[in-house]
Amino acid sequence: DAGITQSPRHKVTETGTPVTLRCHQTENHRYMYWYRQDPGHGLRLIHYSYGVKDTDKGEVSDGYSVSRSKTEDFLLTLESATSSQTSVYFCAIRGSGEAYEQYFGPGTRLTVT
Amino acid sequence: AQSVTQPDIHITVSEGASLELRCNYSYGATPYLFWYVQSPGQGLQLLLKYFSGDTLVQGIKGFEAEFKRSQSSFNLRKPSVHWSDAAEYFCAVGAASGTYKYIFGTGTRLKVLA
Repeated sequence: DAGITQSPRHKVTETGTPVTLRCHQTENHRYMYWYRQDPGHGLRLIHYSYGVKDTDKGEVSDGYSVSRSKTEDFLLTLESATSSQTSVYFCAIRGSGEAYEQYFGPGTRLTVT
Repeated sequence: AQSVTQPDIHITVSEGASLELRCNYSYGATPYLFWYVQSPGQGLQLLLKYFSGDTLVQGIKGFEAEFKRSQSSFNLRKPSVHWSDAAEYFCAVGAASGTYKYIFGTGTRLKVLA
């Protein structure tokens, strides 16, 4: 257990509304990642962070922004949600093991109607 | 381009039978390789990892995987499957430095027949 929590765990929102998902970790890990999981696509990286205020884009970053003002929190924002952003969102941290393996939070299921 | 391929979308095996899930990768440098398991409605749990040394790695829940550089493969195996192994399995390749980003395969869903 890498001490990762995500909130909310489930959310239904309407098209065009802003949504913020929160990832919280308790072990002071430097690297954090946001993924989305969709059937037939596996997990795809949205954004990642390599420190406070240091973030960069992943492969599917359009329509998403992130912020990291504290080591323990990594926020993912959908500025104006669309139906194509209906997905399950996972946060991960990079562990300190020899293979730099990632550990995942429990996920947030987001439905945009 | 870097990629991970899991050729089998679905696999069905009988309880007690052996299992092999395939994973092929394309990566410029020596990769770090991982297998994760995801039970329905759950997050991803790390099963095992390879980063150097012995090419046969042991993981949790009785799983093992073999890194074959010549075939660019990292197949997951289990000698005797239990009904509780029914889940989705993901192979991932990771960078050994820099951003430490992963590339995931699309997953293989395992069904176990009683």
